[in-house]
Amino acid sequence: QSVLTQPPSASGTPGQRVTISCSGSSSNIGSNNVYWYQQLPGTAPKLLIYEINQRPSGVPDRFSGSKSGTSASLAISGLRSEDEADYHCATWDDSLSGPWVFGGGTKLTVL
Amino acid sequence: QVQLVESGGDVVQPGRSLRLSCAGSGFTFSAFAMHWVRQAPGKGLEWVAVLSGDGSNTYYTDSVKGRFTISRDNSKNTVYLQLTSLRPEDTAVYYCARGSSETQYAHPSAYWGQGTLVTVSS
Repeated sequence: QSVLTQPPSASGTPGQRVTISCSGSSSNIGSNNVYWYQQLPGTAPKLLIYEINQRPSGVPDRFSGSKSGTSASLAISGLRSEDEADYHCATWDDSLSGPWVFGGGTKLTVL
Repeated sequence: QVQLVESGGDVVQPGRSLRLSCAGSGFTFSAFAMHWVRQAPGKGLEWVAVLSGDGSNTYYTDSVKGRFTISRDNSKNTVYLQLTSLRPEDTAVYYCARGSSETQYAHPSAYWGQGTLVTVSS
């Protein structure tokens, strides 16, 4: 059972905009930055969004992040087939002694 | 370019021990914290441990406290994860990831290794 809750799956057609949610609490998302990682099939995770809404160099601006209260969202616009992957949210949790936590991951399917 | 290469994964019996290694190159190793993150088959990511760049500060997830130890040798640009008292639920691909800065509070950054598989089974 992950501390952060993500929907197990999401889907969209090419060109669509999809959003993936990540729900937490006041001790984690509510008071800390949120990070998003993309994991293509059979590969290591890749940092997609840091500090809620910042993109590392090389990440297309089709990807955006946001936070409201104790929830965060990843939005992907202009969906492409190569976006089919698992997406994981992560944050620091002030109430835990093992402070970094991940969501359970969301598998995005491009129909 | 930044590169992280894990090694040491194996098939081991419950209760046994194993040491994983992660060798870094292409950056000043001691200037960055290092994380271990694992992924059980078909599951999501689980953060395991972090060690600050100078090796003085660590955090562990509760399920591995007292069993796993993270350490580093900055002269060898290598971070280790010693796994003891292994359980079947420790079966996973173990990734090392560079932190975004030197401290243990740094998030896992853009640089991850390819992972090494640990299977705990009798």
